[in-house]
Amino acid sequence: DSGVTQTPKHLITATGQRVTLRCSPRSGDLSVYWYQQSLDQGLQFLIQYYNGEERAKGNILERFSAQQFPDLHSELNLSSLELGDSALYFCASSVAPQAATNEKLFFGSGTQLSVL
Amino acid sequence: GNSVTQMEGPVTLSEEAFLTINCTYTATGYPSLFWYVQYPGEGLQLLLKATKADDKGSNKGFEATYRKETTSFHLEKGSVQVSDSAVYFCALSTDSWGKLQFGAGTQVVVTP
Repeated sequence: DSGVTQTPKHLITATGQRVTLRCSPRSGDLSVYWYQQSLDQGLQFLIQYYNGEERAKGNILERFSAQQFPDLHSELNLSSLELGDSALYFCASSVAPQAATNEKLFFGSGTQLSVL
Repeated sequence: GNSVTQMEGPVTLSEEAFLTINCTYTATGYPSLFWYVQYPGEGLQLLLKATKADDKGSNKGFEATYRKETTSFHLEKGSVQVSDSAVYFCALSTDSWGKLQFGAGTQVVVTP
């Protein structure tokens, strides 16, 4: 168990809808990262927050948004959903800021989103 | 931009066989290199890492050496077990904030 909790584990919805994915980082971790894993795009970095502030942005669509709350949990909001948004969405956390070199990322088990 | 290329799977091996998964990268600057493993139904776990040229990362019998001259970070294990069946991801980071660029992943299947 990585200590990173993601809910829900599975989500099935229809095109055009909006969903919210939730992530609770490990206790003490200030940084949260969101990744999308799909069959055609592989594992892609979406966005990172550190202590409530956005720190880095990757291949995140404008229909997607995220935030990190004062208690450090994070939510990823996906709107106007399309079939191609079906993927496994991972959250990871780290103490940061030197996550890549001095620390390591701890990944949650992911939320499987199916858009029908 | 940065990119990571790893060999396509699935790679199917018998128990106790030697495993190699090739990984090459393109990056500006001096990236840190990683191997992550994803077991079925789970999130990714860091397997090993190397932060500078000629460093060797090792863990659980797996090894990888950071080769700057060939821009490679190949993963090896001398004797695989059925429990090593998983998807392995090579990744790099040039960002101290931890943003990772992943390869496509290589599925490894080890049969008894």
